[in-house]
Amino acid sequence: EVQVVESGGGLVQPGESLRLSCAASGFTFSGHWMTWVRQAPGKGLEWVANINQDGSEKNYVDSVRGRFTISRDNAKNSLYLQMNSLRAEDTAVYYCARFHYSGMDAWGQGTTVTVSS
Amino acid sequence: QSALTQPRSVSGSPGQSVTISCTGTSSDVGGYNYVSWYQQHPGKAPKLMIYDVSKRPSGVPDRFSGSKSGNTASLTISGLQAEDDADYYCCSDAGSSYVFGTGTKVTVL
Repeated sequence: EVQVVESGGGLVQPGESLRLSCAASGFTFSGHWMTWVRQAPGKGLEWVANINQDGSEKNYVDSVRGRFTISRDNAKNSLYLQMNSLRAEDTAVYYCARFHYSGMDAWGQGTTVTVSS
Repeated sequence: QSALTQPRSVSGSPGQSVTISCTGTSSDVGGYNYVSWYQQHPGKAPKLMIYDVSKRPSGVPDRFSGSKSGNTASLTISGLQAEDDADYYCCSDAGSSYVFGTGTKVTVL
């Protein structure tokens, strides 16, 4: 069974850092682009970042570029999102998802990040 | 990276058809045949319903269909069922990024 499970969310103060993890199983992790998508409370989906199969290509939404870093460890079947200089507007549920062609076909249950003083 | 424009809500009775539009620009929807659609029930993760404009993943009913004309993509749900009551989001490749739509609440009356 294809599965991705996020972890690492929590409550942090503005300016602090957090590292999210996503553990993948049931598929060849190294064969897929992976992505992070977030959803602020009561709001829509927002694409955050994606990474290619070997980690050599990474893309970010403008609002997080320079603060967030996406990475992966294919040996551990894991995806990461290092989030620095967090802001209140980064508060959201963060989803990890697998790319299949142009679609994101496997999603985790999400991990909640709250940035508040 | 502006969000794609979707109607806030659409509704229909069981058995009817509804169509959700997703309007972007030539830099996203109009420039790539890489539009996908997602269904999200409250408190749940999104589910892929359509990818590459009109392809259905295995397990998605053929009541769901996708199309594109110019800068506007569309999702049609035929034979509306109670379980289709949910939020729907489009998403498009925009070159080195992706952009989601504003989301549409589908209500089954």
